[in-house]
Amino acid sequence: AQSVAQPEDQVNVAEGNPLTVKCTYSVSGNPYLFWYVQYPNRGLQFLLKYITGDNLVKGSYGFEAEFNKSQTSFHLKKPSALVSDSALYFCAVRALSGTYKYIFGTGTRLKVLA
Amino acid sequence: DAGVTQSPTHLIKTRGQQVTLRCSPKSGHDTVSWYQQALGQGPQFIFQYYEEEERQRGNFPDRFSGHQFPNYSSELNVNALLLGDSALYLCASSLGRLVYNEQFFGPGTRLTVL
Repeated sequence: AQSVAQPEDQVNVAEGNPLTVKCTYSVSGNPYLFWYVQYPNRGLQFLLKYITGDNLVKGSYGFEAEFNKSQTSFHLKKPSALVSDSALYFCAVRALSGTYKYIFGTGTRLKVLA
Repeated sequence: DAGVTQSPTHLIKTRGQQVTLRCSPKSGHDTVSWYQQALGQGPQFIFQYYEEEERQRGNFPDRFSGHQFPNYSSELNVNALLLGDSALYLCASSLGRLVYNEQFFGPGTRLTVL
C-alpha cells in the first residue's frame, strides 16, 4: 500500500533562513514524488516532481527537494525563506506502475516570520 | 491559456440531497481526477476519468459517481448526502497518455452539508 507521512503539522522559520519541510513515503516499486503548495481558499499549485535521475530536484519559486531512496524521504527545501512562502505544503506519491492513484500527506503549514 | 475551472465555488445542501459538481480541464488535457479534501486533511483520491471511462477509483462509496464528456470536462455526483461529505472538492487534470506528468488543480468547490 502507498502512504505519505508529513511528520510536522507546522514549521516556523525566520525570513532569510533556510527552510526544510519533511516528507517520507512508502510505495511498492519506484516512486513518483511531488510537492504542491496551497494558499488559503485556493487549489493546489505544483512545485516540483521527482521521477528518476538526479536526487536533487529544482522547482518553482526557488524550492528544491532531495530524494533519498534509503531513507524513503523527499524533503522540500529552500535556501532563504520569504514571508510570501507562508502556506500549506503537501507531499504526494504515486507508484510508477500499476496505479493512477496519487496519495497525499496531511500537509505542513509553513509560517515564515518577518 | 485557461487553467482548470470548477463550478460552483460554494454549495450548501441538506442531508439526503444530491449534488453535481463540474470541472473543465486545462486546455489540452484529457484526464480528470477528483479529490475530497476535508478540513485540515490532505486531498483524498475519489476517482480518475480518461477517455470517458472511470480508470481508477479510490475508497469511496457508490454514492460518489462521475462522468466525463467528449470535450474532457467532467462531473462529480454525490447522492444521499451525509454531514461527513462536507469538504473541499478538487478537480485535477493531466495528460493521460503521458506517464510522467503532473496534475494541475482547480480552485475547488466548497460543499457544506447541513
